[in-house]
Amino acid sequence: GNSVTQMEGPVTLSEEAFLTINCTYTATGYPSLFWYVQYPGEGLQLLLKATKADDKGSNKGFEATYRKETTSFHLEKGSVQVSDSAVYFCALRSLGGGFKTIFGAGTRLFVKA
Amino acid sequence: GAVVSQHPSWVICKSGTSVKIECRSLDFQATTMFWYRQFPKQSLMLMATSNEGSKATYEQGVEKDKFLINHASLTLSTLTVTSAHPEDSSFYICSAWGQGVSEAFFGQGTRLTVV
Repeated sequence: GNSVTQMEGPVTLSEEAFLTINCTYTATGYPSLFWYVQYPGEGLQLLLKATKADDKGSNKGFEATYRKETTSFHLEKGSVQVSDSAVYFCALRSLGGGFKTIFGAGTRLFVKA
Repeated sequence: GAVVSQHPSWVICKSGTSVKIECRSLDFQATTMFWYRQFPKQSLMLMATSNEGSKATYEQGVEKDKFLINHASLTLSTLTVTSAHPEDSSFYICSAWGQGVSEAFFGQGTRLTVV
């Protein structure tokens, strides 16, 4: 079945450091890939998405490229801020899965001033 | 993006009582709604999928008689936790997908505490 694996956290960085959160997936067909962010005590917000191979999703300085050859969708940001502290979820959705969204375990990010 | 509103955002109830959580799509017709549960510091686990006008499809291990899902209209789905127990305490999140939207949008979640 479909699944998403992302790096375990927590990840602790200093402000302005470079961020990478790894995400790989297993899916049949051609899924859409997503990164969601969850701030403390809140629901999920869509951060970025990519719907086909080689697409790059970007938003608020975050980027992720859909790599079919490596089945990956790693999240990157060149310079993190304290306000980026949150939990980040990698997710996929495929038509064959009935539009269910399958989430990774989540990676908690702490950014220190 | 499209708006999905979930209510209440938090609720405290006594053991043995039932609690209803509402999920509304405010600006599109949600033909499909999903209900997730999130334990502290864990990922979201899909509980069930509901299509408007049909019975919900529950994931393996989810008690359908305990978690009643109704999706009677294209803008509203409800999750009722019946005879709640402390172990039902969790964060419940809905998402909705439908005509005119390119992806599923999530509600802000409901934190349920059963005492």
